[in-house]
Amino acid sequence: NAGVTQTPKFRILKIGQSMTLQCAQDMNHNYMYWYRQDPGMGLKLIYYSVGAGITDKGEVPNGYNVSRSTTEDFPLRLELAAPSQTSVYFCASTGTSRQQQYFGPGTRLTVT
Amino acid sequence: RKEVEQDPGPFNVPEGATVAFNCTYSNSASQSFFWYRQDCRKEPKLLMSVYSSGNEDGRFTAQLNRASQYISLLIRDSKLSDSATYLCVVNKNQAGTALIFGKGTTLSVSS
Repeated sequence: NAGVTQTPKFRILKIGQSMTLQCAQDMNHNYMYWYRQDPGMGLKLIYYSVGAGITDKGEVPNGYNVSRSTTEDFPLRLELAAPSQTSVYFCASTGTSRQQQYFGPGTRLTVT
Repeated sequence: RKEVEQDPGPFNVPEGATVAFNCTYSNSASQSFFWYRQDCRKEPKLLMSVYSSGNEDGRFTAQLNRASQYISLLIRDSKLSDSATYLCVVNKNQAGTALIFGKGTTLSVSS
C-alpha cells in the first residue's frame, strides 16, 4: 500500500494564480482531511470529508475548495492564490473517526 | 486559554536522559487524545494514543488527567533518534472532524 500520496511536493505560485493539490489514499478510508501548517504553528483543518460526495468546512476554509467524487481522491483547489496561503499542506485519512489519522508527505506551497 | 497548549521548548537533553512534556486542553468535552511525532519537514505520525488509565509503549509513557485537562508524555532513556517535535492532539468530537493540534514541543537529544 502506498498509503496517502500527495502531489506536487513543491510549488511556487504567483499571486492570483490557481492550482489543485492532489491527494489520494489506497486504504479505503472514508474520512479524509486537508490541513495547513504555518511555520511554528499547529496544523489547522481546512476541509474534511466523511465519504464520497460529502465535504464540509474546517477551521480555515476561505480561499479553498474541495471535492470528493471517489473514496480514494480528495483534491484541494486554490483559487486566486494569495501570499497568506504560503504554507505546507497535509492531506490525511482515517478509517473511522476515532482511529489515528494517516498523513501524506505534504505539499510546500509558496505564493509570491 | 488556547484550545491545546504545549511548552514549545526546545528541550535539549543528553542521550539516556528522561524528559517529560506537558499539554493542557481547554474543552472538557474532548473525546480522545494522542501524541504525534513530527520530524523536520515531514508529516506527523502517530506516536501513541492516550488513555485515561495511562499507557506505556516501550520507553514512552502517556498520562491523561481529565479533571485537570492535562496530558503528559514521558520519554525514558532518550535516544538520538527521539529528536523531533512532539504534537499533542485532542479530538473534540466523535466525528473526528475537530482534531486540534498543539504547536508542538521540540526535543533535541545529543550525544
